[in-house]
Amino acid sequence: GQQLNQSPQSMFIQEGEDVSMNCTSSSIFNTWLWYKQDPGEGPVLLIALYKAGELTSNGRLTAQFGITRKDSFLNISASIPSDVGIYFCAGQRGGADGLTFGKGTHLIIQP
Amino acid sequence: GAVVSQHPSRVICKSGTSVKIECRSLDFQATTMFWYRQFPKQSLMLMATSNEGSKATYEQGVEKDKFLINHASLTLSTLTVTSAHPEDSSFYICSAGQGAELNTEAFFGQGTRLTVV
Repeated sequence: GQQLNQSPQSMFIQEGEDVSMNCTSSSIFNTWLWYKQDPGEGPVLLIALYKAGELTSNGRLTAQFGITRKDSFLNISASIPSDVGIYFCAGQRGGADGLTFGKGTHLIIQP
Repeated sequence: GAVVSQHPSRVICKSGTSVKIECRSLDFQATTMFWYRQFPKQSLMLMATSNEGSKATYEQGVEKDKFLINHASLTLSTLTVTSAHPEDSSFYICSAGQGAELNTEAFFGQGTRLTVV
Protein backbone atom coordinates (compact mmCIF):
# COMPACT_ATOMS: atom_id res chain seq x y z
CA GLY A 1 0.00 0.00 0.00
CA GLN A 2 0.94 3.63 -0.35
CA GLN A 3 2.93 5.37 2.34
CA LEU A 4 3.64 9.02 2.78
CA ASN A 5 7.21 10.31 2.71
CA GLN A 6 7.96 11.36 6.25
CA SER A 7 11.25 12.85 7.41
CA PRO A 8 13.41 12.72 9.29
CA GLN A 9 13.28 9.04 10.16
CA SER A 10 14.75 9.74 13.59
CA MET A 11 15.88 12.73 15.62
CA PHE A 12 18.28 12.93 18.54
CA ILE A 13 17.84 16.23 20.33
CA GLN A 14 18.54 17.88 23.65
CA GLU A 15 15.74 18.66 26.06
CA GLY A 16 14.44 22.16 25.40
CA GLU A 17 15.18 22.15 21.69
CA ASP A 18 12.57 22.67 19.02
CA VAL A 19 11.65 19.83 16.66
CA SER A 20 10.38 19.89 13.11
CA MET A 21 9.20 17.02 10.93
CA ASN A 22 7.31 16.87 7.68
CA CYS A 23 5.38 14.67 5.31
CA THR A 24 4.94 14.82 1.57
CA SER A 25 2.73 12.95 -0.82
CA SER A 26 2.47 12.51 -4.56
CA SER A 27 -1.30 12.80 -4.34
CA ILE A 28 -3.76 15.13 -2.67
CA PHE A 29 -5.31 14.54 0.74
CA ASN A 30 -8.24 16.50 2.12
CA THR A 31 -7.33 15.92 5.75
CA TRP A 32 -3.91 15.67 7.38
CA LEU A 33 -3.47 14.21 10.83
CA TRP A 34 -0.54 13.89 13.19
CA TYR A 35 -0.31 11.06 15.73
CA LYS A 36 2.07 9.99 18.48
CA GLN A 37 2.54 6.34 19.26
CA ASP A 38 4.15 4.93 22.39
CA PRO A 39 5.49 1.35 22.34
CA GLY A 40 2.79 -1.29 22.40
CA GLU A 41 -0.06 1.17 22.15
CA GLY A 42 -2.30 2.61 19.48
CA PRO A 43 -1.62 6.03 17.96
CA VAL A 44 -2.98 9.06 19.78
CA LEU A 45 -4.27 11.99 17.75
CA LEU A 46 -2.29 15.21 18.25
CA ILE A 47 -3.57 17.58 15.61
CA ALA A 48 -6.07 17.37 12.74
CA LEU A 49 -5.92 19.72 9.75
CA TYR A 50 -8.86 20.17 7.41
CA LYS A 51 -8.09 23.08 5.08
CA ALA A 52 -5.21 23.82 2.77
CA GLY A 53 -2.99 26.45 4.37
CA GLU A 54 -4.45 25.86 7.82
CA LEU A 55 -2.07 26.38 10.74
CA THR A 56 -3.19 24.79 14.00
CA SER A 57 -1.63 24.67 17.45
CA ASN A 58 -2.13 22.32 20.36
CA GLY A 59 -0.01 23.50 23.27
CA ARG A 60 3.63 23.25 22.22
CA LEU A 61 2.66 21.56 18.96
CA THR A 62 2.00 23.41 15.73
CA ALA A 63 1.07 21.82 12.43
CA GLN A 64 0.29 23.16 8.99
CA PHE A 65 -1.64 21.78 6.03
CA GLY A 66 0.27 22.61 2.87
CA ILE A 67 -1.30 24.82 0.21
CA THR A 68 -0.95 22.12 -2.43
CA ARG A 69 -2.65 19.59 -0.08
CA LYS A 70 0.30 17.30 -0.68
CA ASP A 71 2.32 18.07 2.42
CA SER A 72 2.21 18.92 6.11
CA PHE A 73 4.66 19.71 8.87
CA LEU A 74 4.66 19.35 12.64
CA ASN A 75 6.71 21.48 14.99
CA ILE A 76 7.27 20.82 18.68
CA SER A 77 8.66 23.67 20.69
CA ALA A 78 10.76 23.39 23.86
CA SER A 79 10.85 19.60 23.89
CA ILE A 80 10.45 17.74 27.18
CA PRO A 81 11.25 14.10 28.06
CA SER A 82 7.64 12.93 27.63
CA ASP A 83 7.78 13.99 23.97
CA VAL A 84 9.84 10.87 23.28
CA GLY A 85 8.05 8.48 20.95
CA ILE A 86 7.21 7.86 17.34
CA TYR A 87 5.29 10.51 15.43
CA PHE A 88 3.25 9.61 12.39
CA CYS A 89 1.61 11.81 9.81
CA ALA A 90 -1.48 10.48 8.08
CA GLY A 91 -3.55 11.62 5.15
CA GLN A 92 -7.22 11.02 4.55
CA ARG A 93 -9.05 11.64 1.31
CA GLY A 94 -12.64 11.52 2.54
CA GLY A 95 -14.26 11.13 5.93
CA ALA A 96 -15.26 7.56 5.11
CA ASP A 97 -11.76 6.58 3.95
CA GLY A 98 -9.00 4.91 5.90
CA LEU A 99 -5.74 6.66 6.61
CA THR A 100 -2.49 6.53 4.69
CA PHE A 101 0.42 6.81 7.10
CA GLY A 102 3.94 8.11 6.88
CA LYS A 103 6.82 5.90 7.94
CA GLY A 104 7.20 7.68 11.26
CA THR A 105 9.72 9.92 12.98
CA HIS A 106 11.38 8.47 16.05
CA LEU A 107 12.08 11.29 18.51
CA ILE A 108 14.78 10.66 21.09
CA ILE A 109 15.61 13.27 23.71
CA GLN A 110 19.02 13.23 25.28
CA PRO A 111 19.28 14.53 28.84
CA GLY B 1 -11.90 12.64 22.53
CA ALA B 2 -13.85 9.58 21.51
CA VAL B 3 -12.88 6.23 23.03
CA VAL B 4 -12.21 3.11 21.01
CA SER B 5 -11.54 -0.08 22.94
CA GLN B 6 -9.82 -3.14 21.55
CA HIS B 7 -9.72 -6.63 23.05
CA PRO B 8 -7.61 -8.58 23.73
CA SER B 9 -4.47 -6.51 24.05
CA ARG B 10 -2.25 -9.55 23.65
CA VAL B 11 -2.90 -13.04 22.33
CA ILE B 12 -0.72 -16.04 21.61
CA CYS B 13 -2.11 -18.81 19.47
CA LYS B 14 -0.92 -21.95 17.77
CA SER B 15 -0.43 -22.19 14.02
CA GLY B 16 -3.59 -23.25 12.26
CA THR B 17 -5.99 -21.86 14.83
CA SER B 18 -8.22 -18.80 14.51
CA VAL B 19 -8.16 -15.67 16.62
CA LYS B 20 -10.87 -13.06 17.03
CA ILE B 21 -10.11 -9.44 17.87
CA GLU B 22 -12.85 -7.03 18.95
CA CYS B 23 -13.04 -3.29 18.38
CA ARG B 24 -15.66 -1.27 20.20
CA SER B 25 -16.60 2.39 20.07
CA LEU B 26 -17.53 3.19 23.65
CA ASP B 27 -19.21 6.58 23.52
CA PHE B 28 -20.31 6.99 19.92
CA GLN B 29 -21.76 5.05 17.04
CA ALA B 30 -19.41 4.19 14.22
CA THR B 31 -20.85 3.25 10.85
CA THR B 32 -17.31 2.72 9.63
CA MET B 33 -14.33 1.16 11.37
CA PHE B 34 -10.88 0.48 10.00
CA TRP B 35 -8.37 -2.29 10.62
CA TYR B 36 -4.64 -1.72 10.36
CA ARG B 37 -1.60 -3.96 10.73
CA GLN B 38 1.76 -2.79 12.01
CA PHE B 39 4.91 -4.90 11.81
CA PRO B 40 7.79 -4.14 14.20
CA LYS B 41 9.42 -0.77 13.60
CA GLN B 42 7.15 -0.09 10.65
CA SER B 43 4.19 2.10 9.97
CA LEU B 44 0.51 1.27 10.07
CA MET B 45 -0.92 -0.21 6.91
CA LEU B 46 -4.63 -0.18 6.22
CA MET B 47 -6.01 -3.69 5.81
CA ALA B 48 -9.73 -3.17 5.41
CA THR B 49 -12.68 -0.90 5.97
CA SER B 50 -15.47 -2.37 8.06
CA ASN B 51 -18.96 -1.14 7.20
CA GLU B 52 -21.88 -1.71 9.54
CA GLY B 53 -24.45 -3.96 7.93
CA SER B 54 -22.49 -4.65 4.76
CA LYS B 55 -19.39 -6.39 3.52
CA ALA B 56 -15.97 -5.11 4.41
CA THR B 57 -13.75 -3.51 1.79
CA TYR B 58 -10.26 -4.98 1.67
CA GLU B 59 -7.08 -3.28 0.52
CA GLN B 60 -5.10 -4.79 -2.31
CA GLY B 61 -3.09 -7.79 -1.20
CA VAL B 62 -5.17 -8.51 1.91
CA GLU B 63 -6.92 -11.89 1.77
CA LYS B 64 -10.56 -11.50 2.72
CA ASP B 65 -10.97 -15.21 3.46
CA LYS B 66 -8.08 -15.10 5.88
CA PHE B 67 -9.01 -11.89 7.66
CA LEU B 68 -12.74 -12.11 8.30
CA ILE B 69 -14.41 -8.88 9.33
CA ASN B 70 -17.84 -8.60 10.89
CA HIS B 71 -19.45 -5.27 11.75
CA ALA B 72 -22.74 -6.40 13.21
CA SER B 73 -23.60 -3.29 15.20
CA LEU B 74 -22.78 0.41 15.27
CA THR B 75 -20.38 -0.09 18.18
CA LEU B 76 -18.61 -3.36 17.39
CA SER B 77 -16.40 -4.69 14.64
CA THR B 78 -14.49 -7.95 14.83
CA LEU B 79 -11.45 -9.18 12.94
CA THR B 80 -10.87 -12.93 12.83
CA VAL B 81 -7.49 -14.18 11.69
CA THR B 82 -8.20 -17.64 10.34
CA SER B 83 -5.70 -20.48 10.07
CA ALA B 84 -3.04 -18.29 11.62
CA HIS B 85 0.60 -18.66 10.60
CA PRO B 86 3.72 -17.23 12.25
CA GLU B 87 3.95 -14.58 9.53
CA ASP B 88 0.57 -13.25 10.71
CA SER B 89 2.24 -12.24 13.97
CA SER B 90 1.84 -8.49 14.12
CA PHE B 91 0.23 -5.57 15.94
CA TYR B 92 -3.37 -5.17 14.80
CA ILE B 93 -5.05 -1.83 15.43
CA CYS B 94 -8.58 -0.65 14.77
CA SER B 95 -9.92 2.84 14.43
CA ALA B 96 -13.36 4.38 14.24
CA GLY B 97 -14.71 7.72 13.16
CA GLN B 98 -17.84 9.51 14.19
CA GLY B 99 -19.36 9.98 10.79
CA ALA B 100 -19.02 9.60 7.06
CA GLU B 101 -18.65 13.29 6.39
CA LEU B 102 -15.39 14.94 5.55
CA ASN B 103 -13.42 16.11 8.57
CA THR B 104 -13.97 12.95 10.53
CA GLU B 105 -11.24 12.35 13.07
CA ALA B 106 -10.14 8.76 13.45
CA PHE B 107 -9.57 7.48 16.98
CA PHE B 108 -7.56 4.35 17.53
CA GLY B 109 -7.86 1.39 19.85
CA GLN B 110 -5.00 0.27 22.04
CA GLY B 111 -3.97 -2.43 19.57
CA THR B 112 -3.71 -6.22 19.80
CA ARG B 113 -0.33 -7.93 19.77
CA LEU B 114 -0.80 -11.28 18.01
CA THR B 115 1.90 -13.91 18.28
CA VAL B 116 1.46 -17.13 16.34
CA VAL B 117 3.67 -19.99 17.51
